[in-house]
Amino acid sequence: DSGVTQTPKHLITATGQRVTLRCSPRSGDLSVYWYQQSLDQGLQFLIQYYNGEERAKGNILERFSAQQFPDLHSELNLSSLELGDSALYFCASSSPGGANVLTFGAGSRLTVL
Amino acid sequence: GQNIDQPTEMTATEGAIVQINCTYQTSGFNGLFWYQQHAGEAPTFLSYNVLDGLEEKGRFSSFLSRSKGYSYLLLKELQMKDSASYLCAVRGGGGSYIPTFGRGTSLIVHP
Repeated sequence: DSGVTQTPKHLITATGQRVTLRCSPRSGDLSVYWYQQSLDQGLQFLIQYYNGEERAKGNILERFSAQQFPDLHSELNLSSLELGDSALYFCASSSPGGANVLTFGAGSRLTVL
Repeated sequence: GQNIDQPTEMTATEGAIVQINCTYQTSGFNGLFWYQQHAGEAPTFLSYNVLDGLEEKGRFSSFLSRSKGYSYLLLKELQMKDSASYLCAVRGGGGSYIPTFGRGTSLIVHP
């Protein structure tokens, strides 16, 4: 157990629908990162939050949005889902200073039918 | 932008030594990471290099040459459980602390 908790583990939905993925970082970590991993793209950075504020943005689609709440948990919202959104979505957290190593959660596998 | 290259797949024999290479081109450099990822599971941290040279940690070692934009991960005394994908990730400069991941090298260890 890495200490980073993601729910749900698996999610199957239809095109056009909207889903929310949830992440709780390791105790003491202030940063949360969201990555998407599909077979043909590898791990792609989506967005980072630090202590409730958006810190960095990657290749995140406009249909996707995220936020980090005062208790530091984060949610990734995916809307108007397309077949190509099927992927593993990982959340990672890190603590400030040092190497800033990312610790990943177990991921949420999204299947869009 | 950043460009990271790793071989797609490698095979090796149990008990042997394998070296997985990673080359990168980045604007600035703030460290290189190696992660291990078993199929369908989360990536787990293996090593971090920010200065040139070799970092050794048990059966795993990682080397970095910043001038050459090159790193390798060395796995010794291979075990079947080492069959996994190995991801090289580089953190660029310019104040960004976001690691960019390569596509990973799938290592298959056979008896």
